Amino acid sequence: NAGVTQTPKFQVLKTGQSMTLQCAQDMNHEYMSWYRQDPGMGLRLIHYSVGAGITDQGEVPNGYNVSRSTTEDFPLRLLSAAPSQTSVYFCASSYSGGPVDGNTIYFGEGSWLTVV
Amino acid sequence: RKEVEQDPGPFNVPEGATVAFNCTYSNSASQSFFWYRQDCRKEPKLLMSVYSSGNEDGRFTAQLNRASQYISLLIRDSKLSDSATYLCVVRVNYGGSQGNLIFGKGTKLSVKP
Repeated sequence: NAGVTQTPKFQVLKTGQSMTLQCAQDMNHEYMSWYRQDPGMGLRLIHYSVGAGITDQGEVPNGYNVSRSTTEDFPLRLLSAAPSQTSVYFCASSYSGGPVDGNTIYFGEGSWLTVV
Repeated sequence: RKEVEQDPGPFNVPEGATVAFNCTYSNSASQSFFWYRQDCRKEPKLLMSVYSSGNEDGRFTAQLNRASQYISLLIRDSKLSDSATYLCVVRVNYGGSQGNLIFGKGTKLSVKP
């Protein structure tokens, strides 16, 4: 039972490089999202998707792109990496549904990204 | 004012102690409330949902006060394994069927022998 799988787990990038963080889930969840977590900060939403073909911006979307061509995959692309994007990135997924039903959000194990 | 505020701690308590964490939220449109646990260098994991009537799961009790926009988590008989950061999480519905989660910065708990 894989759940939410993120790759890579660790990555060092040079300023200006681009890369893609991969995220896949095998639970047929409609809702997927990307968060970043910085020291002393709560998790902040970057982008999210409520289903294949539908994406939207979260709180901190600048410098990132996403796409949702399938239900299973939700890659996060860094277009031109900057030191300010050094962070831990978490992909998450959950079933769609009403806001009161306490849908469990399942997180991937995280991707540690350093931009030098 | 931050949307979800928590005391960052750390709370250093001996084994067996009872410890309580508080959390306040600012958005009255908040619909669902959760406590997540995050171990060092790991992903957050759901500890428990928080219901209006209050709910208990073993040694853990969660309370919600909608009027005061306040959530609490009580841990009784603390274990060494309870050492972690506890995240207060609120789901705000912005009009669609899905709401987004707003995370507090977390409260760090360290249980000592």
